[in-house]
Amino acid sequence: AQSVTQLDSQVPVFEEAPVELRCNYSSSVSVYLFWYVQYPNQGLQLLLKYLSGSTLVKGINGFEAEFNKSQTSFHLRKPSVHISDTAEYFCAVIGGSQGNLIFGKGTKLSVKP
Amino acid sequence: DAGITQSPRHKVTETGTPVTLRCHQTENHRYMYWYRQDPGHGLRLIHYSYGVKDTDKGEVSDGYSVSRSKTEDFLLTLESATSSQTSVYFCAIRTPDQDSTGELFFGEGSRLTVL
Repeated sequence: AQSVTQLDSQVPVFEEAPVELRCNYSSSVSVYLFWYVQYPNQGLQLLLKYLSGSTLVKGINGFEAEFNKSQTSFHLRKPSVHISDTAEYFCAVIGGSQGNLIFGKGTKLSVKP
Repeated sequence: DAGITQSPRHKVTETGTPVTLRCHQTENHRYMYWYRQDPGHGLRLIHYSYGVKDTDKGEVSDGYSVSRSKTEDFLLTLESATSSQTSVYFCAIRTPDQDSTGELFFGEGSRLTVL
């Protein structure tokens, strides 16, 4: 079964610093990967997704992620974070016959001034 | 905004009582989902629906049932609530319908506390 592992439960970082949130997936013939963000007291929203093609995927709010098949990773990066990026970030993969999303346990990004 | 409304948004109940959470959508999407979110567990799929009266179990379906008698409403029922079902419950729809890699749009969540 498909699964994802988010290696860090919490990531504190100072404003304007770069950040990387790590995600590894279980290997499969084909894989579709997603990053979602959840701001406090809200539902999740899509940041970006990888389906095929270019391994570097750009998303909203200046985030990008790189699909690395050899390392089975899909890490999320931003070169300079803002206070407003404070949120919980979820990596997800499509699994199961109905194409349901399977989420990782989440990484809480805390941006400090 | 995918037109998803969850109700109630907050509920406190006692162990052993039945609870029904409602998810209402206004855009006629075929796929609807119920997830629960717990600290340290992320989101876990409870049940999903791929059409009226077409539902299936997710990874944490024990203790939950669902019904979808019309396209716009997807109900999640806890027949006899337990403290382990204290959680935040999210409904989601998928768009576009025919795309298994489509985006999920989430409601704002229903916070349930079982005493």
